[in-house]
Amino acid sequence: SYVLTQPPSVSVAPGQTATITCGGKNIGSKSVHWYQQRPGQAPVLVVYDDKDRPSGIPERFSGSNSGNTATLSIRGVEVGDEADYYCQVWDDPSSHYVFGIGTKVTVL
Amino acid sequence: QVQLVESGGGVVQPEKSLTLSCTASGFSFSPYVMHWVRQAPGKGLEWVAVIFFDGSQKYYADSVKGRFTISKDDSRSTLYLQMNSVTVDDTGLYFCARVREKHFYDSAWDLWGQGTLVTVSS
Repeated sequence: SYVLTQPPSVSVAPGQTATITCGGKNIGSKSVHWYQQRPGQAPVLVVYDDKDRPSGIPERFSGSNSGNTATLSIRGVEVGDEADYYCQVWDDPSSHYVFGIGTKVTVL
Repeated sequence: QVQLVESGGGVVQPEKSLTLSCTASGFSFSPYVMHWVRQAPGKGLEWVAVIFFDGSQKYYADSVKGRFTISKDDSRSTLYLQMNSVTVDDTGLYFCARVREKHFYDSAWDLWGQGTLVTVSS
């Protein structure tokens, strides 16, 4: 089945840019969605279809997808951005939905 | 307001059954593809099952196929997950989620419930 690879953790200073990668075979041909999950809370969609933001999500959140890597970037990181971030795709051959393992973003 | 509320979780013994419910409010339930997602304690998100808006297609994660059944009752705006032959590995917080675009099975999930906790223990 399709596998998504994320780094377990990313640390970033306030005001800097956090970059979270999501690797998968030819992931550029799929639509990638990103979810933020703060401790004790339900996930929240922050980027869909590689690069689009739902209403209410700050412009600081952006996404890209090409080749074998999709990327979520958080510009001007704030303490409130500390959370786990998951990438997710639909894998058509298996008819399964796949999550990455999640990346814990820590604001130093 | 627009929301999903899960219920039915609790402590269940191994090999027993449990049914989870997810009640929608504030929007028209029937046109949406719906999912169940779970999260074991301290672990990541795991997709469990999906049901297409018209109930015509249902897909399951390999870990639950043959044991879990997803269904929906549009008249009650409610999604269900029938869990049979549960094991300790089924322990976790179970979320229901709605797709962003009506009818589209590959759409992102923009509305989540707060989850209901299932604990499998003897």
